[in-house]
Amino acid sequence: NAGVTQTPKFQVLKTGQSMTLQCAQDMNHNSMYWYRQDPGMGLRLIYYSASEGTTDKGEVPNGYNVSRLNKREFSLRLESAAPSQTSVYFCASSEVRGPTGELFFGEGSRLTVL
Amino acid sequence: AQRVTQPEKLLSVFKGAPVELKCNYSYSGSPELFWYVQYSRQRLQLLLRHISRESIKGFTADLNKGETSFHLKKPFAQEEDSAMYYCALSGRMFSGGYNKLIFGAGTRLAVHP
Repeated sequence: NAGVTQTPKFQVLKTGQSMTLQCAQDMNHNSMYWYRQDPGMGLRLIYYSASEGTTDKGEVPNGYNVSRLNKREFSLRLESAAPSQTSVYFCASSEVRGPTGELFFGEGSRLTVL
Repeated sequence: AQRVTQPEKLLSVFKGAPVELKCNYSYSGSPELFWYVQYSRQRLQLLLRHISRESIKGFTADLNKGETSFHLKKPFAQEEDSAMYYCALSGRMFSGGYNKLIFGAGTRLAVHP
């Protein structure tokens, strides 16, 4: 059972380059999320998708775009990477219609922008 | 605005000592609170949630609405408890009634032999 799978695990970009982080989940969850993790700041929500066909901005959406391709997949795109986007990115999913609120996380993608 | 504050970046204790990881929150409604843990080279995972009032791996956390706190406690720390701990808040503020977790900055717990 793979759970939440993210690719790539590591990426180095130059300033101005673009890239897409891919995320897929096999738990039939409705909601998916992208977080970034930075030292001293914890996890901050970039974008989320409550259900297939919908996406919304989180706390730090600037410089990012997302696509909920289908129920399984939720991608995060950096159109013009900046050094401030150097971070570890986590995708997560949840079956949120209920009180539990448990998120299932991927292993993370470490992105360095030079 | 909803916010989660974890005042300690690092908590260092010896094996067998009691542990308390602090978490304070601000939220105008009725919150749901969670503790997540990230062990070295592992995925972030749910440790416990306040509505379950459960003890997981010897950890407990009580929601104190008067003090707006949800501190994580364990009476006797073990070396395998060393990890990054995140307090998280979920508020049903969004259309469709779905949850969105807001995380604190995290506290690194280091348990020394």
